[in-house]
Amino acid sequence: DTEVTQTPKHLVMGMTNKKSLKCEQHMGHRAMYWYKQKAKKPPELMFVYSYEKLSINESVPSRFSPECPNSSLLNLHLHALQPEDSALYLCASSPHLGLGGAGELFFGEGSRLTVL
Amino acid sequence: AQSVAQPEDQVNVAEGNPLTVKCTYSVSGNPYLFWYVQYPNRGLQFLLKYITGDNLVKGSYGFEAEFNKSQTSFHLKKPSALVSDSALYFCAVRERSDQFYFGTGTSLTVIP
Repeated sequence: DTEVTQTPKHLVMGMTNKKSLKCEQHMGHRAMYWYKQKAKKPPELMFVYSYEKLSINESVPSRFSPECPNSSLLNLHLHALQPEDSALYLCASSPHLGLGGAGELFFGEGSRLTVL
Repeated sequence: AQSVAQPEDQVNVAEGNPLTVKCTYSVSGNPYLFWYVQYPNRGLQFLLKYITGDNLVKGSYGFEAEFNKSQTSFHLKKPSALVSDSALYFCAVRERSDQFYFGTGTSLTVIP
């Protein structure tokens, strides 16, 4: 299984809603990532989890709250978002350096978020 | 600091012609370099990577890339372009941690 699965594929929410994005992988990767991507732009790193611990937070506003319940799952909790947060949110995983080489990122198909 | 640059926002090529998408890098130490492709409304798909060894790396869908240490480049190439190759291409570098840095992307259009 070389897939990263993201749900939902599409999400529309109001600025007062609370919602969550979910990501799952079963490749045994211990590094998991959230990226935000605007149209025709590169992915922007938001968070990195390493061995289920938050290792990188790229100064993301607190209205985005990541969670890594176990080594296969990654969530992104959303609350009080702004219209400018509308974007494609991509989850990815990779093996750590030295464990199977300098592994690439495996991306999910993304969750398209629209904030009204 | 690690970084990659993609100097061309847009590349157009006729179907059947060879294509090149350019990438230059700036890293301290030996680089781990990657190419990804993204089709509309999809996630990024891995094409190939350079870790060490042969400077010519072969990847998915007939793509290859040439690592050139003296020119700090890692250009993506394909001998004969297909219309279905039209997509957004990203070069990336991985530093000696879990962090990846992406180029700004190059939109490739293959003209029938």
